[in-house]
Amino acid sequence: NAGVTQTPKFQVLKTGQSMTLQCAQDMNHNSMYWYRQDPGMGLRLIYYSASEGTTDKGEVPNGYNVSRLNKREFSLRLESAAPSQTSVYFCASRNREGTEAFFGQGTRLTVV
Amino acid sequence: EDQVTQSPEALRLQEGESSSLNCSYTVSGLRGLFWYRQDPGKGPEFLFTLYSAGEEKEKERLKATLTKKESFLHITAPKPEDSATYLCAVEGRNAGGTSYGKLTFGQGTILTVHP
Repeated sequence: NAGVTQTPKFQVLKTGQSMTLQCAQDMNHNSMYWYRQDPGMGLRLIYYSASEGTTDKGEVPNGYNVSRLNKREFSLRLESAAPSQTSVYFCASRNREGTEAFFGQGTRLTVV
Repeated sequence: EDQVTQSPEALRLQEGESSSLNCSYTVSGLRGLFWYRQDPGKGPEFLFTLYSAGEEKEKERLKATLTKKESFLHITAPKPEDSATYLCAVEGRNAGGTSYGKLTFGQGTILTVHP
């Protein structure tokens, strides 16, 4: 049981480049989330998907887009990367009852 | 807007020295309060969910409690392997009584347990 899997684990981008962070969960969870974690800022919600086919903005959505490809997969896209997007990105999923939420191991992104 | 404040920011303990971490929250209708443990370079690891004031949950040396304004994570006789950052998060309920579906996190408490 892999839980929540994120790819890639590390990435370095140049300013203006684009990339997609991938996330997949194998727990049959309905809800999925993308967070970023920065020193002194804690975990901040970027986008979330309460169920397949729906997405909503979180606290810091600017510069990002998301796609809920199917129930298992939720991707995060940076169209034109900026140094301010240097961060650690975490994907999470949550069960229908809302009692548990599990995180992936993170993607460490550096934009130079 | 939901808000979570954790204290202290950092806590150093000797092995066996019990203590508590605090999580104060402001939320429009609490649907759940979550505790996580995060090791360096890893994703947050789920520990507990609490739903109503007076509720308590335990796991090994950890016990989480909840009041209407705050939650405590009590660590009894900690060991060096308990060293980690402990995160608290809340989920609020909107005016319609349904969940927002998203968690708001505090900054975390960095716990270091010395042998």
